[in-house]
Amino acid sequence: QSVLTQPPSVSGAPGQRVTISCTGSTSNIGANYDVHWYQQLPGTAPKLLIFRNNNRPSGVPDRFSGSQSGTSASLAITGLQAEDEADYYCQSYDSSLSGSVFGTGTKVTVL
Amino acid sequence: QVQLQESGPGLVKPSETLSLTCTVSGGSMSSYYWNWIRQPPEKGLEWIGYIHYSGSTKYNPSLKSRVTISVDTSKNQYSLKLSSVTAADTAVYYCARGPSPYWFFDPWGRGTLVTVSS
Repeated sequence: QSVLTQPPSVSGAPGQRVTISCTGSTSNIGANYDVHWYQQLPGTAPKLLIFRNNNRPSGVPDRFSGSQSGTSASLAITGLQAEDEADYYCQSYDSSLSGSVFGTGTKVTVL
Repeated sequence: QVQLQESGPGLVKPSETLSLTCTVSGGSMSSYYWNWIRQPPEKGLEWIGYIHYSGSTKYNPSLKSRVTISVDTSKNQYSLKLSSVTAADTAVYYCARGPSPYWFFDPWGRGTLVTVSS
């Protein structure tokens, strides 16, 4: 029961910039709970990509960046590479559910 | 560096109880929240619940009546029990660490596929 909405898919040519939106509500992103992003390569577990809105764990390229405003958040990938082809999920805390919620997921395709 | 590994039966019969264990290696369980997350085939992620190393728990309201998460800090393990399973509970089950109930999950285990079928 995803309460964070993402576009099902986005695509771009190598080197281009793509963005993925994550739309929530006043009980999660709009209540100033942090947004986190995960990258899931085919057949593998999700990997933390961005934490607390706009922070990259060690080892994550600076091509990945996050932002948050109002009830939405965005993940941007600049200089798109073939290895970026994966599913991406946003995640936040929801006060009405008193627990974590994930986005619906977005598949990124490199043309 | 902390690593997590799920273990348990890969096949469970309908109406029975699914039981999984997550073994934590390379670090202490203290001060963290230990989560279970699942992903049905070709679908998105769903948070199941967490247990704090102290034993306090929080579950997803949609699963709360069927879920129990427990911890054994002496073995560096925590466990998931999901009762009265149906085919809808077929999924890859992941364990993951969280520094806070409001924050992110990192690291994750590799996941284990549990199929509910007679």
